[in-house]
Amino acid sequence: KNQVEQSPQSLIILEGKNCTLQCNYTVSPFSNLRWYKQDTGRGPVSLTIMTFSENTKSNGRYTATLDADTKQSSLHITASQLSDSASYICVVSPYSGAGSYQLTFGKGTKLSVIP
Amino acid sequence: NAGVTQTPKFQVLKTGQSMTLQCAQDMNHEYMSWYRQDPGMGLRLIHYSVGAGITDQGEVPNGYNVSRSTTEDFPLRLLSAAPSQTSVYFCASSYARGQPSQETQYFGPGTRLLVL
Repeated sequence: KNQVEQSPQSLIILEGKNCTLQCNYTVSPFSNLRWYKQDTGRGPVSLTIMTFSENTKSNGRYTATLDADTKQSSLHITASQLSDSASYICVVSPYSGAGSYQLTFGKGTKLSVIP
Repeated sequence: NAGVTQTPKFQVLKTGQSMTLQCAQDMNHEYMSWYRQDPGMGLRLIHYSVGAGITDQGEVPNGYNVSRSTTEDFPLRLLSAAPSQTSVYFCASSYARGQPSQETQYFGPGTRLLVL
């Protein structure tokens, strides 16, 4: 069964500090990996999408990396801000034509940035 | 553009009642989907559609029906509500260009449903 595991479950950091969130997946064959940010009470918002051939992708202070050999991804947040407080969700898409829309979601990492 | 809109924002139902959760998008996206999000679990796909008149089941379809008569709208029907359907429901849409899909999905704000 396709699975996406994220760690840590929750994280508290001081404003201005950097942090890295981890994602391991077992989806195979694999098409692409996505990171979403979900603010409390809101829908998820896409941060990055990486295909299996990409190693890194940035979106402002967010940088995602991907190692397709070890099936691991990380999301690095630089110079954190209070507005970064949210859940960050790793999502993997299988390589199966129309089935590639059936995404597998991780449970998310809840990040709290404190002053 | 309003993006993806969902109504209602909150709903309380009694066991056995039926209702329809509304979802609309104004981005001319072919692909639309419904997810449920429960505490301690990742989002799970209920039903999806790759175009008007085309729907298919996702991971957890039991107890839900969908139809897609227009590109813009994708309502989700609860046939006979059960407490196990208490959840937050999200609708999402994207273009359906390319297989496999590498299109960005846009999510609605969610509908919070409580079934007593």
